[in-house]
Amino acid sequence: SQQGEEDPQALSIQEGENATMNCSYKTSINNLQWYRQNSGRGLVHLILIRSNEREKHSGRLRVTLDTSKKSSSLLITASRAADTASYFCATDGHLGYSTLTFGKGTMLLVSP
Amino acid sequence: SQTIHQWPATLVQPVGSPLSLECTVEGTSNPNLYWYRQAAGRGLQLLFYSVGIGQISSEVPQNLSASRPQDRQFILSSKKLLLSDSGFYLCAWSVGDSRQPQHFGDGTRLSIL
Repeated sequence: SQQGEEDPQALSIQEGENATMNCSYKTSINNLQWYRQNSGRGLVHLILIRSNEREKHSGRLRVTLDTSKKSSSLLITASRAADTASYFCATDGHLGYSTLTFGKGTMLLVSP
Repeated sequence: SQTIHQWPATLVQPVGSPLSLECTVEGTSNPNLYWYRQAAGRGLQLLFYSVGIGQISSEVPQNLSASRPQDRQFILSSKKLLLSDSGFYLCAWSVGDSRQPQHFGDGTRLSIL
């Protein structure tokens, strides 16, 4: 079953604009991760935020986590055409201690 | 540095034929290994998970199986493919628990005719 659900399903913006993607989950977590997937490729890990953290930055990426609302957001600032990809959140899986459960993703299109 | 190899990149198979997809990891020891399937425009579905040689956990029942004959080798198999087995198959590795990132191969696009 899917733990995380991203919103929106698709997002289209112009270069230079900011892109915000949201993730909601249902049960308590130890950490939440964000991944990126270019079309036809594997996923690439972007950032991890622990349950006791509220905000984390990495370059142009800013992730927030609100455990009371069971939600997270990924903000990409000053977007570029190369940011065009699908973005997934992932939470602790239930099968084993190292498994993750991925959401359905947000498809981001950044136009030049 | 660690690398993950997954092959083939694309595969077209008839219904009822067997399947063998291979994934190998280099540069790390005793990794956790994963097989996922991704339907078009969908998220990832965890199929199998392994924490060591010969140790396989299955997330969902299906006509697929997995094996880990060596520490850094993970194989996904089927004796008879179904149309519903079409999809994008991804192998991944990690070390430690869910606080560590997973690292993915470039996937195999499987089409069943």
